Amino acid sequence: SQQGEEDPQALSIQEGENATMNCSYKTSINNLQWYRQNSGRGLVHLILIRSNEREKHSGRLRVTLDTSKKSSSLLITASRAADTASYFCATALYGNKLVFGAGTILRVKS
Amino acid sequence: KAGVTQTPRYLIKTRGQQVTLSCSPISGHRSVSWYQQTPGQGLQFLFEYFSETQRNKGNFPGRFSGRQFSNSRSEMNVSTLELGDSALYLCASSSSPSFTDTQYFGPGTRLTVL
Repeated sequence: SQQGEEDPQALSIQEGENATMNCSYKTSINNLQWYRQNSGRGLVHLILIRSNEREKHSGRLRVTLDTSKKSSSLLITASRAADTASYFCATALYGNKLVFGAGTILRVKS
Repeated sequence: KAGVTQTPRYLIKTRGQQVTLSCSPISGHRSVSWYQQTPGQGLQFLFEYFSETQRNKGNFPGRFSGRQFSNSRSEMNVSTLELGDSALYLCASSSSPSFTDTQYFGPGTRLTVL
């Protein structure tokens, strides 16, 4: 199976609610990155969190990293219809490659 | 700064042909990586170049190759196209090698193989 696996596979919420997506991985990493993709377009970088960091914030986004559990979570607060997209976590293996998870499809209903 | 650009945006080829895709990184970025995205396999890493040298390679057959020029622009070539090569091909650039920093993605090239 893939290095990074996200859950849930799909999430449907109402505008204004919070959305939480989780990512698990298997091997040691240099960093973990979260991306958003709208309808088969290019990926937009959201947050990069390094292996020695536990939490990072960017606007309405909050990312946590637990290296002991090999997991990360992305929280989007006060979601908007424009947040509707696919979200991917990607793990950067030391000097090796960037491995993407299967993604979470988020739908925010207005 | 201008973002990562990819050309062409859309491409239709037939089986057996070859194709070359181009990627221009953000000015000053020396690392370029390539990815294939398909509904079945998701996003898969193809290769990474830094300062004209291939640093890492994913698990793809030798039909997939690439190169990087002295101005950091990169090209990816796929020879003897197969139906399964139909995909969105994305490139990304970064200021540092080996994915230690943020990757900035281009809009992608949609390749259809008939």
